[in-house]
Amino acid sequence: QKEVEQNSGPLSVPEGAIASLNCTYSDRGSQSFFWYRQYSGKSPELIMFIYSNGDKEDGRFTAQLNKASQYVSLLIRDSQPSDSATYLCAVQSKGGYNKLIFGAGTRLAVHP
Amino acid sequence: EAQVTQNPRYLITVTGKKLTVTCSQNMNHEYMSWYRQDPGLGLRQIYYSMNVEVTDKGDVPEGYKVSRKEKRNFPLILESPSPNQTSLYFCASSSRQINTGELFFGEGSRLTVL
Repeated sequence: QKEVEQNSGPLSVPEGAIASLNCTYSDRGSQSFFWYRQYSGKSPELIMFIYSNGDKEDGRFTAQLNKASQYVSLLIRDSQPSDSATYLCAVQSKGGYNKLIFGAGTRLAVHP
Repeated sequence: EAQVTQNPRYLITVTGKKLTVTCSQNMNHEYMSWYRQDPGLGLRQIYYSMNVEVTDKGDVPEGYKVSRKEKRNFPLILESPSPNQTSLYFCASSSRQINTGELFFGEGSRLTVL
């Protein structure tokens, strides 16, 4: 079992819809959770982080964390073609300075 | 402009020929890290550094060396490259002492070892 799992996609959504990206992790001691966006041929860019159970909203993005289910998700409201990218989930354990484990990413395609 | 700069951006080399990929950040970040990205495997950490002269292994350190003699620089050294080190490499830094997953990435270095 991979430590951080994501569906590789592509996840295809129409413009204006809500895109839901999911991530599960295996280490119950994980404490910090991150979402990165990576456009094709570019470097990853941090878009959200969440440290506590529940929801965290930032503009059109909402990160959701459920530690009991070992599940973190990213919702993108009013999806735009410019949101088309690969979204990487990353998980960090025990104090936040240990190694960061990335999932392989989910490719999102938003079509007009 | 705040940035992490990697060089070279692209490199084709041959097996066994030592090479160094440089990484420099201008944000006075204490934490720096190297990752490699391979299709289907995602980003995997090679080495990280919490501060000057403090380095530690990540998930895939075999075949790589690093040094941190100055805060701004964190070079990745491949003493004897092999074809399985063909990959896309990213250097990253963080201003955080904990929650160092809040990373700022360089543009990447694509390395091909023949």
